[in-house]
Order: sequence, then structure tokens, then C-alpha cells
Amino acid sequence: GENVEQHPSTLSVQEGDSAVIKCTYSDSASNYFPWYKQELGKRPQLIIDIRSNVGEKKDQRIAVTLNKTAKHFSLHITETQPEDSAVYFCAATPLSGGYNKLIFGAGTRLAVHP
Amino acid sequence: GAGVSQSPSNKVTEKGKDVELRCDPISGHTALYWYRQSLGQGLEFLIYFQGNSAPDKSGLPSDRFSAERTGGSVSTLTIQRTQQEDSAVYLCASSLGGDINEQFFGPGTRLTVL
Repeated sequence: GENVEQHPSTLSVQEGDSAVIKCTYSDSASNYFPWYKQELGKRPQLIIDIRSNVGEKKDQRIAVTLNKTAKHFSLHITETQPEDSAVYFCAATPLSGGYNKLIFGAGTRLAVHP
Repeated sequence: GAGVSQSPSNKVTEKGKDVELRCDPISGHTALYWYRQSLGQGLEFLIYFQGNSAPDKSGLPSDRFSAERTGGSVSTLTIQRTQQEDSAVYLCASSLGGDINEQFFGPGTRLTVL
């Protein structure tokens, strides 16, 4: 089955700096890669996702890149703000008939210091 | 519109007791997932429903765990003879299914087994 590894487990940056979180996956059949943000005590919320027919996707200050050959994908946050502080989870799944059992990484705790 | 809701938000029980956790998905979402999040950990897949059937129960940790979904809507996760290692946050998510992949999460039920 799929296995997702996520690094680093914690990340501390100064406001305005960039943050990069990396994930690797094992199942070459995986073709959908979402990123979720979870603030303390809150539910996970999707912030961006990418499918394997796309190498990069950007949404304002957030971008995700995917390298299918190497089986890794990364989240990039530019111009970080204190409100970006949260735990970020990557996930992978092989989409099949609308069924996407997400396999999550262990999470990265991002702290943005003013 | 209303998001995914779960009840109770917190549940404290004694070892050996049975508990029922409830999930109300977003109206019209055919796919429903249960995940478990242990303290400081990532999300672990438990079970997937498409309509009222559960084609993937592979994540249920033991036969003490069961789940059902009725009317293609509400789902309950039942844990029998609870153990301390069952303590975690149980999260439910729903999605439209088909080509729409985003999973919307509920707020979770924090289960504490004493």
C-alpha cells in the first residue's frame, strides 16, 4: 500500500521568509496529492491540490510542485505571515472511480515569527 | 451551506465501555470517510463509504471497530470494549465523489478512554 513521508516535522521561519515542506510517496499509482492545513483545535482544510498530469500549481502565495519520476511533491509558501502558523499535512492517493482514500504524511508544524 | 458535523465533540469513557460517534456529511456527498488522529500524529484512514456500502474497511484497527451509514447520509462509528489506545480524535470527511475529489472534514470527536 501507499506510504507517505513528510519532512521536516517542525519548521520555524521569520515573517516574510519562504517555507518549503517536502513529501515522498511509494505507490507509483498515486495520482492525486492534496495539502491540508490544520490550525490548533480546528479541522483540516484543503489549501491546494495537484494531480499527476500537472507538474506545478500555484494559488497566490502557495504553490505545489510534483516530480512523478522521483515520487516527491513539495509545498512552497512565500511571504509567510503569522496566520500561516499551523500543522500542514500532505497526502497521496490513487484516484479510482471517485474513491480517494487519503494516505497522510505525519505533518509539519510551521511557526511563523513576527 | 452547512459543513460536515460530528457529535459529540468530546467523549470521555471508561475502559471496556462501548461508544458511538456520529457524522453528518454535507448534503449530496456520496462518499464518506472516517480517519483517526492520535496526539501529534497524522491522519490514519479507517473506512470509506460510497452510499450505504463500505467497499474499503481496511483501516479498521480491530473487530471492536465497526461503522454503518444509513440513507446515504449519517454515519456512525462504533467502538466496542474501548481500550486506552483508542484515545484519539476521530475525524469524518465527505466528498461529492466522481471527479470531485476534495474531502471536507468535520471538527472531529475527541475520545478519551480512562
